Amino acid sequence: EVQLVESGGVVVQPGGSLRLSCVASGFNFHDYSMHWVRQVPGKGLEWVSLISWDTVSAFYADSVKGRFTISRDNSKNSLSLQMNSLRTEDTALYFCAKDKALLTTWSGFHYWGQGTLVTVSS
Amino acid sequence: EIVMTQTPLSLSVTPGQPASISCKSSQSLLYSDGKTYLYWYLQKPGQSPQLLIYEVSNRFSGVPDGFSGSGSGTDFTLTISRVEAEDVGIYFCMQGLQLPLTFGGGTKVEIK
Repeated sequence: EVQLVESGGVVVQPGGSLRLSCVASGFNFHDYSMHWVRQVPGKGLEWVSLISWDTVSAFYADSVKGRFTISRDNSKNSLSLQMNSLRTEDTALYFCAKDKALLTTWSGFHYWGQGTLVTVSS
Repeated sequence: EIVMTQTPLSLSVTPGQPASISCKSSQSLLYSDGKTYLYWYLQKPGQSPQLLIYEVSNRFSGVPDGFSGSGSGTDFTLTISRVEAEDVGIYFCMQGLQLPLTFGGGTKVEIK
């Protein structure tokens, strides 16, 4: 059974930093690209970032480019998102998601975690 | 950026009746590999999204056969043949052709 468990969401002040983590199990983590997707509670979904299965490529939404950094440790089946210079508009539930396609940079989201809530507020 | 437009915003359906949701993309989602990268997800109340349909019309494992996807190019439809109570939630379409990956605004389905 595929499981994705996020952690690290807290209340942080504007301008602050935070690191989110996602631990994966139930599949060959090193064979799949991974994503972060966020959702303002009660609102729509926004793709945030992806890192390729081989760690070679990382991509970001314009809204977070230069502030967020995605990384992964294939030896630990873990995914991270380092979030710097946080803004109030970054407040959201952050999901990690497994890509559907094997050994492909991206396709679509296959499985999602339950999310971790980040609140940016003074 | 590819813009995904979903209609309607909400649907109130009598149990056992069909429902359809439309999704239109601002450009074709057909890739040179012959696949069309259009996905459908359902977010049930209090849960994370779950994959229903991938590449327009392929039902994901465990998804009831009452769910079907159709369309091509820029116009797509999700159809529920007979809506049941457990089908309530918000349905999202998503394009996986190009970055940034983008979603439709969602269609909230409720039971009458």
